[in-house]
Amino acid sequence: EPHLVESGGGLVQPGGSLRLSCAASGFMFSIYGMSWVRQTPGKGLEWVSGLSGSDSSTSYADSVKGRFTISRDISKNTLYLQMNSLRAEDTAIYFCAKLLSYGFGPVDYWGRGTLVTVSS
Amino acid sequence: EIVLTQSPGTLSLSPGERATLSCRASQSVSSSYLAWYQQKPGQAPRLLIYDTSTRATGIPDRFSGSGSATDFTLTISRLEPGDFAVYYCHHYGSSPFTFGRGTKLEIK
Repeated sequence: EPHLVESGGGLVQPGGSLRLSCAASGFMFSIYGMSWVRQTPGKGLEWVSGLSGSDSSTSYADSVKGRFTISRDISKNTLYLQMNSLRAEDTAIYFCAKLLSYGFGPVDYWGRGTLVTVSS
Repeated sequence: EIVLTQSPGTLSLSPGERATLSCRASQSVSSSYLAWYQQKPGQAPRLLIYDTSTRATGIPDRFSGSGSATDFTLTISRLEPGDFAVYYCHHYGSSPFTFGRGTKLEIK
């Protein structure tokens, strides 16, 4: 069964950077689409970014476009989210998510999440 | 981007009753690429329905999805105690993909 473990969260000052990692196992990481989804108590779930397994194309929410970059290292079975120019509103639990399909699609497996807090 | 509006915000029902949750999109969702998730406190969401009406693996047939274009519905035919949770709809037809803000299903 797929297993996803996020790391790299923590406290960062506004304007700072952070890189999240997601170690994947239990499935063919190289062919499935992957995403990052975040959650805050006030705003519920927010799709952040996705990476297609079929053609490695990427997609971003308008709120993070130009600041966040999603990538993967197939040799390490690891998904990344590079977050730059962080803002207070980026504070959330970030979930790594495996997609049901090879391209973009619904999430069928989730990690437990890593907390990112942006505050001075 | 497509905005998904879920209603009601909170639904109070008793076990055994039927629940009907609505998700309305601000634009037509291409190819009916809409999913529903259930989330319980302290847990990650669980996929229930995708492509509007296809049940995910292991999901009982008490859960059903329907709809098209801009109006979608999740129906739980006979509520069980474990069904009381927050439910989210999610579209993945065209980027950026978005989630609704959720419907909390609580015990009456």
